[in-house]
Amino acid sequence: GENVEQHPSTLSVQEGDSAVIKCTYSDSASNYFPWYKQELGKRPQLIIDIRSNVGEKKDQRIAVTLNKTAKHFSLHITETQPEDSAVYFCASYMNRDDKIIFGKGTRLHILP
Amino acid sequence: EPEVTQTPSHQVTQMGQEVILRCVPISNHLYFYWYRQILGQKVEFLVSFYNNEISEKSEIFDDQFSVERPDGSNFTLKIRSTKLEDSAMYFCASRPLNEQYFGPGTRLTVT
Repeated sequence: GENVEQHPSTLSVQEGDSAVIKCTYSDSASNYFPWYKQELGKRPQLIIDIRSNVGEKKDQRIAVTLNKTAKHFSLHITETQPEDSAVYFCASYMNRDDKIIFGKGTRLHILP
Repeated sequence: EPEVTQTPSHQVTQMGQEVILRCVPISNHLYFYWYRQILGQKVEFLVSFYNNEISEKSEIFDDQFSVERPDGSNFTLKIRSTKLEDSAMYFCASRPLNEQYFGPGTRLTVT
């Protein structure tokens, strides 16, 4: 079955700097890649997503890139702010299986 | 903006007891899901449900688990005989197309 690997598990970034989180997936049939932000004790919140027919997508300070050939996708957060501190999960989805497979998460700390 | 809701927010039960976790998906969504998250770990898929039947389930979703859509609005997860290792946050989700909307979760504590 599909497997999603995510790294790093923890990332500390100075406020104002950029943060990058990387993921790989195993099944080439995966066609949708959401990113979720989860604050302590809260639900996962979708922050950005990308479909397999697109290589890059940007929404203000957040961008996601997808390399289908290498089965890599990445989250980029620029001009980080204290409220960006949270756990971020990458995930993959394919129509065939109708389920989201999550990575293990990255705990992002924004340092003042 | 409509949201997925879940009740209760926290459920404490004794090992061996049955629990029912309740979810109200967003009203025009047709696809429903349950996920769980053990404390400090990743979110894990349990089951997907469409057109009043299970469309996919994980190896976690064994015979002690069942799902039901008893009426036009509720979607429930039943755990028949709870074990200590069932302690986790359980999230319901629903979707119209690709994007899944998650509920706030039910924290299940089995003692």
